[in-house]
Amino acid sequence: EAQVTQNPRYLITVTGKKLTVTCSQNMNHEYMSWYRQDPGLGLRQIYYSMNVEVTDKGDVPEGYKVSRKEKRNFPLILESPSPNQTSLYFCASTVKQGTEAFFGQGTRLTVV
Amino acid sequence: GENVEQHPSTLSVQEGDSAVIKCTYSDSASNYFPWYKQELGKGPQLIIDIRSNVGEKKDQRIAVTLNKTAKHFSLHITETQPEDSAVYFCAAGGNNRLAFGKGNQVVVIP
Repeated sequence: EAQVTQNPRYLITVTGKKLTVTCSQNMNHEYMSWYRQDPGLGLRQIYYSMNVEVTDKGDVPEGYKVSRKEKRNFPLILESPSPNQTSLYFCASTVKQGTEAFFGQGTRLTVV
Repeated sequence: GENVEQHPSTLSVQEGDSAVIKCTYSDSASNYFPWYKQELGKGPQLIIDIRSNVGEKKDQRIAVTLNKTAKHFSLHITETQPEDSAVYFCAAGGNNRLAFGKGNQVVVIP
């Protein structure tokens, strides 16, 4: 089954404790991206990757890092999480820009 | 960059009536306009999309119309059913990045 898998689904952490949210897709898609969803703000892109070893900033990249060492994986790293990063995070993949994006199930992150 | 505005933010309709959600975009270079449906606790899923060389597209009870001159596109849902209750996102983009609207909560009242 074609899918995008995120882990964990739920995470509560403390300010400053580094964390990684994993994302994996099994569709051999070149393009992957991370979004955060906040009430009243919709989906905002954090980072995206057009291919292996190619990443770029989205609209709200501050406080986040990503890496794309393999085509299928695109982890989101929060080196020093802060409470304003409490949000619902989605990973998405697509064959190329301008085509259907497939979203993961989401990761609800709470930073206290 | 692209800026997408979505209206209204909340829409309540009686079951069986039609629902219309409108979006406007700013970048005339955008050529891909998808609509996503997000059910509670799930990620957004594509329900219909349209490209700039087409003015209208239908898929059963769902249709999307595009007015490139006015830079707006709309989602039309006919004969609404309770399972249509969800958050709907429009987006615009293409070769550049995809920008999403803020979302619209649709509530179908039985």
